[in-house]
Amino acid sequence: DIQMTQSPSSLSASVGDRVTITCRASQGIGAYLAWYQQKPGQLPNLLIYAASTLQSGVPSRFSGSGSGTDFTLTISSLQAEDVATYYCQKHDTAPWTFGQGTKVEVE
Amino acid sequence: DVQVVESGGGLVQPGGSLRLSCVASGFTFNNYAMSWVRQAPGAGLEWVAAITGSGSSTFYAASVKGRFTISRDNSKNTLFLHMNSLRAGDTAFYYCAKPYTSGWYSPFDSWGPGTLVTVSS
Repeated sequence: DIQMTQSPSSLSASVGDRVTITCRASQGIGAYLAWYQQKPGQLPNLLIYAASTLQSGVPSRFSGSGSGTDFTLTISSLQAEDVATYYCQKHDTAPWTFGQGTKVEVE
Repeated sequence: DVQVVESGGGLVQPGGSLRLSCVASGFTFNNYAMSWVRQAPGAGLEWVAAITGSGSSTFYAASVKGRFTISRDNSKNTLFLHMNSLRAGDTAFYYCAKPYTSGWYSPFDSWGPGTLVTVSS
């Protein structure tokens, strides 16, 4: 099965900083990569799918890029409300594996 | 509005069994493949199992294959997860997840509130 590895596992940044999270697949998955945001005590929320397509209602400071095995989620200007754990997920074929998560905190 | 609601969780002894249910509304249930995703307290998300809209094909994570069975009753808009030979490592919130589109290659955009399964003696 394809493994999904995120880095870093956690990060702390200041409001207004540019934040980048990386997700690597152990084999190529084309552009079938989604990003979710899970705030404390809440359900996961789909941010991006097909590697770079922003889900409706998601702020434009979030963006995604990549294809094949290497993908990136970028928050262009971190806001206090972005404190959450972010997960990548392959959404091509089963198993729809998630990355282990990246916890984002604000300094 | 799209809604999925899980039930059936609880405390079970190691080696025991449990059946989870998920009732769906607000969309054409039999058009969508459905999945179960779990999250142990304080841990990350783990996809568990999926079933096609017709119910003809099922898929499992390696960690549950042979112990869990996913099924659905399209006449009742209900998804099931039958869990056997439960272990402490299966302790988690179990979520029913609906994909964003009816296509196979779709991530999840709707989640139920979850039902907690605790495996302990």
